[in-house]
Amino acid sequence: GDSVTQMEGPVTLSEEAFLTINCTYTATGYPSLFWYVQYPGEGLQLLLKATKADDKGSNKGFEATYRKETTSFHLEKGSVQVSDSAVYFCALSDPNAGNQFYFGTGTSLTVIP
Amino acid sequence: DAGVTQSPTHLIKTRGQQVTLRCSPKSGHDTVSWYQQALGQGPQFIFQYYEEEERQRGNFPDRFSGHQFPNYSSELNVNALLLGDSALYLCASSLYGGRSNEKLFFGSGTQLSVL
Repeated sequence: GDSVTQMEGPVTLSEEAFLTINCTYTATGYPSLFWYVQYPGEGLQLLLKATKADDKGSNKGFEATYRKETTSFHLEKGSVQVSDSAVYFCALSDPNAGNQFYFGTGTSLTVIP
Repeated sequence: DAGVTQSPTHLIKTRGQQVTLRCSPKSGHDTVSWYQQALGQGPQFIFQYYEEEERQRGNFPDRFSGHQFPNYSSELNVNALLLGDSALYLCASSLYGGRSNEKLFFGSGTQLSVL
């Protein structure tokens, strides 16, 4: 079945450091891939997405590239800010499964000044 | 324009009780999905409602049931509560069909504690 595996946390970085959060997936079809972010006390917000192989999703300085050959969708940001502190979830939507969403376990990021 | 709203925000129940959680989708959306997020875990899909019918269901027991109303709002009911049902319950709304299902908008959730 479909699944998402993402890097265990928590991750603590200094401001302006480079961020990578790894995500790999297993899917029966050709899924769309997403990164969602959850701030304390809030629901999940879509950060970026990619719908086909080699697509790059980007938003607010974050980027992730859909790599079919390695079944990966790693999240990167060149210079993190304190305001980026949150929990990040990698997810997939599989059209072979009625576009049901599968989420990873989440990676908590804390950015210190 | 209101986003997805859920009520209540917090709830405390005891084992064996029943609970009802409510969700109003984002304006213009017709599909509601429910997710369970246990502490330290990612959201797990419970089921999806469209046109007042359950369209998809995840790996959850029959104790979990739902309903969708003509105005697209939805309820999640859990019977015979277990300690393991303690979690954040998230509602997500979207437009039904094809790739449009990908645009999920989430509410802030209902935190359920079972004692």
